[in-house]
Order: sequence, then structure tokens, then C-alpha cells
Amino acid sequence: AQSVTQPDIHITVSEGASLELRCNYSYGATPYLFWYVQSPGQGLQLLLKYFSGDTLVQGIKGFEAEFKRSQSSFNLRKPSVHWSDAAEYFCAVGAMEYGNKLVFGAGTILRVKS
Amino acid sequence: DSGVTQTPKHLITATGQRVTLRCSPRSGDLSVYWYQQSLDQGLQFLIQYYNGEERAKGNILERFSAQQFPDLHSELNLSSLELGDSALYFCASSVARTGVTGELFFGEGSRLTVL
Repeated sequence: AQSVTQPDIHITVSEGASLELRCNYSYGATPYLFWYVQSPGQGLQLLLKYFSGDTLVQGIKGFEAEFKRSQSSFNLRKPSVHWSDAAEYFCAVGAMEYGNKLVFGAGTILRVKS
Repeated sequence: DSGVTQTPKHLITATGQRVTLRCSPRSGDLSVYWYQQSLDQGLQFLIQYYNGEERAKGNILERFSAQQFPDLHSELNLSSLELGDSALYFCASSVARTGVTGELFFGEGSRLTVL
């Protein structure tokens, strides 16, 4: 079965600094990959997704992610973090071969210090 | 606002009781998904319905059941509640038949506390 690992439970960055959130997945073929963000008291919102094609995908709010097949990774990046980016970020993977299920990582809580 | 409505937002009940959580999907979405979010288990997929039919099943306990009605709203029924069922229950919806190829739109969740 597919699985998703987000190795960092918490990350703290200064406002204006760059950000990279790590995500590794375990799956044999090319999965469908997603990043969602959850602000306090809110549901999850899709930031970006990768299905195929260009391995660098752009999302909303200035985020981007790069799919690296050789490393089974789909890391999320932002060049300059804003205080409003403080939230919990979830990587998710889906694969038709494993049924109609989107599997989420444990999440990474981002704190932004001014 | 995602367009997905969940009620109630908060629910406190006792062990052994039964509760029903309700979800109204975005207008036009035929798929409804239920997820459970807890501190120890993270975000776990429970079940998906597409246009009234069960489409996929995840880690849903036998004490839990769900259905999707003709007007496409869905209900998640939790019975014989245990302390460990305390969690945030999310409903999500999508246009697509499958939950792995398209965007899911999440509601704000129903927080269940079992005392």
C-alpha cells in the first residue's frame, strides 16, 4: 500500500526566509501527489498537485513543489514566507491501483517568527 | 469558504452513545468523502460515496456507518462511542468519481468529544 512520510513535525522559519517542507512517498509507480494546507479551525485547502508532465508544479499562495522520482520525494517550497503562511501542511498521495483512497502524511506544523 | 457544510461543528457526548454527523457537498459535486483526524492517527480516510453508492472504503470501524442521500448530502453515523472516537471528522467533496485524481474540497469539520 502507498504511504507518505513527512519527517518534520514542526518547522519554524523567520518571516521572509525561504521554506522547504519534505515529503517522501512509498509507491511503485507514479502516484498522484498533493499538498494541502490547514489553517487553525479550518478544513484543508489544496495548494498544488502533480499528476504527470513538468516535475516542478506551481500552486496557490506562491508555493511550488518538485517531484523527484529517483528520491520518491515531493517537497514543497516557498522563496519568502509570510506570517499568514503559519499553518499545518499535509502531503498526500493517491494511486488508482490502490483503490480510491488518498493517503495523507502526518503533517508539518509551520511556525513563522517575525 | 469551500462550499462544503458540516453540522454540528462541535459535539460532546458520552461513551456508548450514538451520534450523526451531516455533510452537504459543494453544489454539483457527486462524491463525498469522510475523514477522521486525531492526534495519534493523523488524517485517516473512512469512506467515500459517489452519487449515492459506496465507492471506496478505508479504515472505518464496524460501529461506524455512512450513507449518501438522493439530494447528495451525506451522514456519518457513529455508534457505541468510545473515548478513542474523539476526533475531528471532516467531510470533503469532489466532482470526480475518484478521490485520487482531483481536488477535494473540505468542510470545516465536526469536532466530537466523547466523555
